Amino acid sequence: EAQVTQNPRYLITVTGKKLTVTCSQNMNHEYMSWYRQDPGLGLRQIYYSMNVEVTDKGDVPEGYKVSRKEKRNFPLILESPSPNQTSLYFCASSPDWGQPQHFGDGTRLSIL
Amino acid sequence: GQNIDQPTEMTATEGAIVQINCTYQTSGFNGLFWYQQHAGEAPTFLSYNVLDGLEEKGRFSSFLSRSKGYSYLLLKELQMKDSASYLCAVYSNYQLIWGAGTKLIIKP
Repeated sequence: EAQVTQNPRYLITVTGKKLTVTCSQNMNHEYMSWYRQDPGLGLRQIYYSMNVEVTDKGDVPEGYKVSRKEKRNFPLILESPSPNQTSLYFCASSPDWGQPQHFGDGTRLSIL
Repeated sequence: GQNIDQPTEMTATEGAIVQINCTYQTSGFNGLFWYQQHAGEAPTFLSYNVLDGLEEKGRFSSFLSRSKGYSYLLLKELQMKDSASYLCAVYSNYQLIWGAGTKLIIKP
């Protein structure tokens, strides 16, 4: 089944404790992206990747890192999480940029 | 700056027709998407417009006017399961810029 898989689905953690949210897609898509979704603000892009080893900042990259060492994986890293990063996070992929994106089920992060 | 506007909330009656508008101001334009998002779930793709005009897909249609920076999503024969948020998004210079979404409430 074609899918984008995110882990974990839920996480409660504390300020400053490094965490990684994994994202994997099995559709051989070139383009991958991370978003955060907050009430009243809609989806905001954190980082995106056009292909392996090619990543670029979205609208809200501060406090986040990503890597794209393989086509299928695009992990999101929070080196020192803070409470303002409490949000619902989505990973998405598409065959190429400009095409409809397929979303993972989301990761709800709470930073205390 | 880049901006996408859509109404925050709309209410409609089961079986009726509803039109959700979206206006955009972006530095580039490579296509406009509509997604549906049920509460607590991931967005799912509904439609895509890159040229002016109407795209029809069953009960859902989407219209685009690039010169006016305007799109709408038309939902016909509304069903209770259509209660969801509808998100407008524009591809601008390799990034997808999203509106805040329109929450559609369907009443029996």
